[in-house]
Amino acid sequence: GAVVSQHPSRVICKSGTSVKIECRSLDFQATTMFWYRQFPKQSLMLMATSNEGSKATYEQGVEKDKFLINHASLTLSTLTVTSAHPEDSSFYICSAFGRGNEKLFFGSGTQLSVL
Amino acid sequence: SQKIEQNSEALNIQEGKTATLTCNYTNYSPAYLQWYRQDPGRGPVFLLLIRENEKEKRKERLKVTFDTTLKQSLFHITASQPADSATYLCALMNTGNQFYFGTGTSLTVIP
Repeated sequence: GAVVSQHPSRVICKSGTSVKIECRSLDFQATTMFWYRQFPKQSLMLMATSNEGSKATYEQGVEKDKFLINHASLTLSTLTVTSAHPEDSSFYICSAFGRGNEKLFFGSGTQLSVL
Repeated sequence: SQKIEQNSEALNIQEGKTATLTCNYTNYSPAYLQWYRQDPGRGPVFLLLIRENEKEKRKERLKVTFDTTLKQSLFHITASQPADSATYLCALMNTGNQFYFGTGTSLTVIP
């Protein structure tokens, strides 16, 4: 089956630093990638949708200047958490969707801890 | 407002019994309804998809029903095993390829 690789799996950083998370589709072209945030024992909260070559569409309440999303190619999307603060600590998951597919393929997630 | 609700936060059943999980939605017109499994600290994994014009879908021990009149999907795991313990998420996909996830149900199968 299709594989989506997400790195890093875990990151600990100091408050005020920026963190970049990568999401790669390894064996298919991801025309659309989604970024989610998940708090413990809660469901996935969609943050933004990114289509290759165009600006990401952010969900209401998600700051686009804080969560920078780049989808420069059909196999790579990145999420950068800028000037991270402890309240940004969360589990971030990407998913990818390709042409002709009807289902999402998820990355393994990134646990971000901001000290 | 749009909502996707799954029957309960947690469901405990005895090994060998059938687990039934519910997904109800309001103010959506999904083209597809999907079920995913998520284990702790991992990303969700796709299980089954059912289209709006389908009533039932099966895959091994899994069965999904979809009632667009009731705006409800039922997800069944027959002959449940402890390895089936996980959180199960339903997701709606519309014709614009947007996905919306339910709140999730944590299933524990007791040996």
